[in-house]
Amino acid sequence: QKEVEQNSGPLSVPEGAIASLNCTYSDRVSQSFFWYRQYSGKSPELIMSIYSNGDKEDGRFTAQLNKASQYVSLLIRDSQPSDSATYLCAVDPGGGFKTIFGAGTRLFVKA
Amino acid sequence: NAGVTQTPKFQVLKTGQSMTLQCAQDMNHNSMYWYRQDPGMGLRLIYYSASEGTTDKGEVPNGYNVSRLNKREFSLRLESAAPSQTSVYFCASRGDGDSGNTIYFGEGSWLTVV
Repeated sequence: QKEVEQNSGPLSVPEGAIASLNCTYSDRVSQSFFWYRQYSGKSPELIMSIYSNGDKEDGRFTAQLNKASQYVSLLIRDSQPSDSATYLCAVDPGGGFKTIFGAGTRLFVKA
Repeated sequence: NAGVTQTPKFQVLKTGQSMTLQCAQDMNHNSMYWYRQDPGMGLRLIYYSASEGTTDKGEVPNGYNVSRLNKREFSLRLESAAPSQTSVYFCASRGDGDSGNTIYFGEGSWLTVV
């Protein structure tokens, strides 16, 4: 079992809809969780970080963490064509700095 | 603002050749990383360094060596390149605690082994 698992997609949503991206992780003592966005041919960039159970909102983005279920998600409201990218979930297993990424979910937002 | 700088950006190697990917960061970060990215595989951690003078294996360390030369620089060496090492390589660095847990990536190095 991979340490961080994501549905590879592609996930296709119409413009203006909510995109929901999901991630599960295997290490129960993980403390830090991240969502990165990567455009084709570019390096990843941080969208959100979350450390506590519950929701964290930043503009159109909401990260949700459930440590009991070992599950973290990212919601993108009012999706725009510019949101079309690969979204990478990342976790620090064991509470350290050995950051592990999932394989990523490709998102397409149709105009 | 330079951030994380890695060189070279593109390289073609013959099987069995060696090379070193160079990486430097100017953000005074303690942690540095080398990842490789292959289609459908996401980012896989090769090696990381939590602080100057320490290095640890990641998910896919075989065939690679690293050196944390100082706080700024973290190099990745392929001693005998193989076609399976054809990939995009990303160097990254990360601050600690209050300085943020954001990982900052370099622009990537496209390596082809023929």
